[in-house]
Amino acid sequence: RKEVEQDPGPFNVPEGATVAFNCTYSNSASQSFFWYRQDCRKEPKLLMSVYSSGNEDGRFTAQLNRASQYISLLIRDSKLSDSATYLCVATDSWGKLQFGAGTQVVVTP
Amino acid sequence: GAVVSQHPSRVICKSGTSVKIECRSLDFQATTMFWYRQFPKQSLMLMATSNEGSKATYEQGVEKDKFLINHASLTLSTLTVTSAHPEDSSFYICSPRATRPSNEQYFGPGTRLTVT
Repeated sequence: RKEVEQDPGPFNVPEGATVAFNCTYSNSASQSFFWYRQDCRKEPKLLMSVYSSGNEDGRFTAQLNRASQYISLLIRDSKLSDSATYLCVATDSWGKLQFGAGTQVVVTP
Repeated sequence: GAVVSQHPSRVICKSGTSVKIECRSLDFQATTMFWYRQFPKQSLMLMATSNEGSKATYEQGVEKDKFLINHASLTLSTLTVTSAHPEDSSFYICSPRATRPSNEQYFGPGTRLTVT
């Protein structure tokens, strides 16, 4: 079983709309969680950390549900430039990053 | 933000040859270096972790004699893929973790290796 699982998508989203997706993690001992963004053939870039109380960064909102072991990301007012693959990341017991395979988002005009 | 360089960005080599990938942290020091690889449409998989001046620790299933890691300084680490085969074709990404108090982990731009 994969440590971090994500719906690969693609999520096709009209420009200006809202899109949300989740990921689940299997290690209940995971302490830290992140969302990364990865563009085609590029390295991942940190989008935001995910805090227990939920947090917002501009149009992006992340939520953590420890009881159900899932993390969510919501993107409001989608822009064309939001088209990317979003990687869900949880740390393992040693603090190493465990990556999901990513959820592809395609924002269309 | 922190700058990480990786060289080469892209390399094509023949089966059986060796390829060295360099990773440099340009404006910070990294005690710990992580090396990942990513196959198409798959997640980044951690290959090994190295601390400056120490031997690398390899993840299960990663051959240490095939993937040689050298972390000789706080700003440079190298990964050498020895006797490369087509199944080694992948996207290799280094990820230095800055020294304290930051501890933040950054990513290099990646090296796309194609073995023919």
